[in-house]
Amino acid sequence: LAKTTQPISMDSYEGQEVNITCSHNNIATNDYITWYQQFPSQGPRFIIQGYKTKVTNEVASLFIPADRKSSTLSLPRVSLSDTAVYYCLVGGAAGNKLTFGGGTRVLVKP
Amino acid sequence: GAGVSQTPSNKVTEKGKYVELRCDPISGHTALYWYRQSLGQGPEFLIYFQGTGAADDSGLPNDRFFAVRPEGSVSTLKIQRTERGDSAVYLCASSRVGLADNEQFFGPGTRLTVL
Repeated sequence: LAKTTQPISMDSYEGQEVNITCSHNNIATNDYITWYQQFPSQGPRFIIQGYKTKVTNEVASLFIPADRKSSTLSLPRVSLSDTAVYYCLVGGAAGNKLTFGGGTRVLVKP
Repeated sequence: GAGVSQTPSNKVTEKGKYVELRCDPISGHTALYWYRQSLGQGPEFLIYFQGTGAADDSGLPNDRFFAVRPEGSVSTLKIQRTERGDSAVYLCASSRVGLADNEQFFGPGTRLTVL
């Protein structure tokens, strides 16, 4: 069972880059790493997913080192609307329970 | 298109009662997941369906919790003899396929309060 650990909170300012790292030392060979964003009173929303190396989409980048024991979500040029809780999710391989991290509360200030 | 919907949005019940929570996934999604989220914590996996069958129910906390998906679409999470500790937001998600390499679409959740 992959246990995930994330910082509890991070503050940033509009226009800055935000990097959130998730530790998952017990990740299984077939597990994927997925990041979600959650606003109050809403369900989580998919941001990005990866297996190894780097993945980039229109909203974020995901960096995964070779040992896959951690991953870093990078949000370029954040805005006030990016204030939310960000979760990493590890798992998916057969027999490995999907495990969310405790979430990182990101506050973007003007 | 329509997303994942959950009903009711809020449910207040008394300790010891039985409750049912419903999830309508996105049409065509074969995989369906239930999670429980307590205040200030990440979602906790409960059960995963692939089609009509429960492919992984290892997250169900005890035998008071049960879920079904009889026709491979709508799912119902059933909780018997509710306890105050069951109070949480119950989230449902669906995806095109299952588990790895997929994007889960979440519903807004059902907030369950057990008095």
